[in-house]
Amino acid sequence: GIQVEQSPPDLILQEGANSTLRCNFSDSVNNLQWFHQNPWGQLINLFYIPSGTKQNGRLSATTVATERYSLLYISSSQTTDSGVYFCAVDPNAGGTSYGKLTFGQGTILTVHP
Amino acid sequence: EAGVAQSPRYKIIEKRQSVAFWCNPISGHATLYWYQQILGQGPKLLIQFQNNGVVDDSQLPKDRFSAERLKGVDSTLKIQPAKLEDSAVYLCASSLTGASFSGANVLTFGAGSRLTVL
Repeated sequence: GIQVEQSPPDLILQEGANSTLRCNFSDSVNNLQWFHQNPWGQLINLFYIPSGTKQNGRLSATTVATERYSLLYISSSQTTDSGVYFCAVDPNAGGTSYGKLTFGQGTILTVHP
Repeated sequence: EAGVAQSPRYKIIEKRQSVAFWCNPISGHATLYWYQQILGQGPKLLIQFQNNGVVDDSQLPKDRFSAERLKGVDSTLKIQPAKLEDSAVYLCASSLTGASFSGANVLTFGAGSRLTVL
């Protein structure tokens, strides 16, 4: 099956700093989502981004599908950004997605005040 | 729009006992998924339903796990008998459809049900 690798595994920042999280995947995809898992365990959709670039406030994401990676940028980090960030992909099965996501191991982000 | 509802939020049982989790997806979402998340790992798909039919249950331990979605809306995941290694968060997700067109297969997750097996 498809492999998803996220880096770094852990990241510690001071409030106000910027960061970049990376997701590499081993096969072509037609669904890529970034999630934030908050301290209560809720997985929150950040982006649906199988290709291209999107921005939402202080967060932005870029997926380069031909090179099989995606980046999540967090600018001016806040303590509320702490948690685990997951990248999840659905392989491109001949152009048909069956909606099944394979998750990476996540990046644990801690933002200190 | 109401989100994906799950219950109970927490459950503690002894090994060999049984437990059931309930999920109500977002209204109109045809596809429903159950994921298992063990502490420190990413979620892993257990089973996927399209309406009331099973699309994929290849990773469901069928000797102890069962799931149903009888009327194509809400779903129940059951574990019987539970083992220590079943301690995890069970996440339910839904999407408009499992088919491939833009935005249709965006998954939205519920808050999860945390199971502790003693």
